[in-house]
Amino acid sequence: EVQLVESGGGLVQPGRSLKLSCLASGFTFSNYGMNWIRQAPGKGLEWVASISSSSSYIYYADTVKGRFTISRDNAKNTLYLQMTSLRSEDTALYYCARQGPPGGFDYWGQGVMVTVSS
Amino acid sequence: DIQMTQSPASLSASLGETVTIECRASEDIYNGLAWYQQKPGKSPQLLIYNANSLHTGVPSRFSGSGSGTQYSLKINSLQSEDVASYFCQQYYNYPTFGGGTKLELK
Repeated sequence: EVQLVESGGGLVQPGRSLKLSCLASGFTFSNYGMNWIRQAPGKGLEWVASISSSSSYIYYADTVKGRFTISRDNAKNTLYLQMTSLRSEDTALYYCARQGPPGGFDYWGQGVMVTVSS
Repeated sequence: DIQMTQSPASLSASLGETVTIECRASEDIYNGLAWYQQKPGKSPQLLIYNANSLHTGVPSRFSGSGSGTQYSLKINSLQSEDVASYFCQQYYNYPTFGGGTKLELK
């Protein structure tokens, strides 16, 4: 069974940093691209960042480019999101999601909440 | 960025009814479209990919169609467990999502 479990969220002050993790199991992690997607409270979904299976290709949404860094450790089956210079508008539930081979995000974690507030 | 416009924003339907949700892209996305279902307090689940392919384990009452810039999700014979929000998403370019449709029972 595919499982994605996020961790590392919490309450953080504006301008500070936070690092999210996503532990994958139930599939060969190193064979799949991975993504971070967020959802502000009561709002829709926003793609944040993508990383290919071998980390060769990395992409970011304009809203986080230069502030967030996606990375992965295939030996540890773990995806990361390093978030710096956090803003109130970054407050959201952050999901990690597997890149479906044909397209779309075929499996999602349960999400981890990040709240940016003073 | 490719903008995805989803309609309606909310929808009320009866059990057994057929429901259709529309999604329009700001440019041709060449069937690079997925649909997701999100139940309250849960993470989204993939229903449809490549505009019309059913994801593993998704009931056959769900179907997707469309091409170019216009796509739709149809739910036949609405069941109580289908009460959820539905989102479209294009992956022809950097991923973008529609604003969502909240489906309730009448």
